[in-house]
Amino acid sequence: GAGVSQSPSNKVTEKGKDVELRCDPISGHTALYWYRQSLGQGLEFLIYFQGNSAPDKSGLPSDRFSAERTGGSVSTLTIQRTQQEDSAVYLCASSPRQPSTDTQYFGPGTRLTVL
Amino acid sequence: AQSVTQPDIHITVSEGASLELRCNYSYGATPYLFWYVQSPGQGLQLLLKYFSGDTLVQGIKGFEAEFKRSQSSFNLRKPSVHWSDAAEYFCAVGARSGNTGKLIFGQGTTLQVKP
Repeated sequence: GAGVSQSPSNKVTEKGKDVELRCDPISGHTALYWYRQSLGQGLEFLIYFQGNSAPDKSGLPSDRFSAERTGGSVSTLTIQRTQQEDSAVYLCASSPRQPSTDTQYFGPGTRLTVL
Repeated sequence: AQSVTQPDIHITVSEGASLELRCNYSYGATPYLFWYVQSPGQGLQLLLKYFSGDTLVQGIKGFEAEFKRSQSSFNLRKPSVHWSDAAEYFCAVGARSGNTGKLIFGQGTTLQVKP
């Protein structure tokens, strides 16, 4: 079946602009995660959605970052007033049910470049 | 605080040689443990995971890992490396408690395979 898809694959923006990154999880997966992969910081957890529960936002680096998940499926990560340090690859993952034990399936990522 | 350390940033081995990638973790209890691989331009793929039971776990592509509680380690091994194994490898820990599936990743080890 189809895996996790993300769009766009690449995004170049100017400092100060807002960007939206999209994630389509695997159909039927109730858990969805966003991570960020950057040269200086490695792979960092950003946010986690599980069904209708309140999301775990503990990894969001600032209030410029937000995410939503509509209808328990597609998720959008929004970065407002982008800064150069936001340049990174943003990875989305989904898993079927249990948050801790299920395998997380990762998408190919969106490479964000802030000029 | 929870953390994962991969002491080797870059490793080069000859094709056919054995491989061991090191991973040490810091966690209040026994965490869930994972190894992921990321090939160039690809998303992360799960190689194997440890939850409980036998401390030697088998994964895909001929990889195995051994959990050693006394050393807080979860090293990845392969008896004979193939050129296609060249990639970046990430060790990760996940929480056993709480309603979160977030993973904490190590900084990664880049594997280069010499012909």
